[in-house]
Amino acid sequence: RKEVEQDPGPFNVPEGATVAFNCTYSNSASQSFFWYRQDCRKEPKLLMSVYSSGNEDGRFTAQLNRASQYISLLIRDSKLSDSATYLCVVSLSSGSARQLTFGSGTQLTVLP
Amino acid sequence: DAGVTQSPTHLIKTRGQQVTLRCSPKSGHDTVSWYQQALGQGPQFIFQYYEEEERQRGNFPDRFSGHQFPNYSSELNVNALLLGDSALYLCASSLIGQGVGEQYFGPGTRLTVT
Repeated sequence: RKEVEQDPGPFNVPEGATVAFNCTYSNSASQSFFWYRQDCRKEPKLLMSVYSSGNEDGRFTAQLNRASQYISLLIRDSKLSDSATYLCVVSLSSGSARQLTFGSGTQLTVLP
Repeated sequence: DAGVTQSPTHLIKTRGQQVTLRCSPKSGHDTVSWYQQALGQGPQFIFQYYEEEERQRGNFPDRFSGHQFPNYSSELNVNALLLGDSALYLCASSLIGQGVGEQYFGPGTRLTVT
């Protein structure tokens, strides 16, 4: 079983749509949780951290359910520029030099 | 403020050869982590260097080795290259005492083994 599992997609949605990505992780000792975004042939970039209380950053909302070991990302009012691969990431450490464990990513294409 | 830089950008090697990839961390950062990203997969942690020592290691064979220099830059060496080593190699830097600070990734080196 993979440590972090994501639906690979692809998700093809029209502009303005709401899209949700889900992710599960296997190690209950995981301490830190993130969503990264990776554009084609580019490096991953941190989109947002995920907290137990849930957190929002503009059109993006992340949720964490520690009991179910489940992480989600909701994107509202999708823009063409949201097209990318979204990587679910967990870490056993909470420090800045944490070892990151990535899912395989979910590919999103927002269509005009 | 320079971000994380990596060299070379692309590299083509033959099976059995050896390769060295280089990474300069973001200014002010002291820790370098290396990741391997195969096509269609997420990055996989190889190892991390801090104070010129390997501090953490992922599930990679001894053919993968590294080094960190006093200026915090780092090298990744891969010996006896296999076709399966073809991937994007990413370097990430951070400041170890920064609490929950972010790791920053470099643009990567794309290695092709033929």
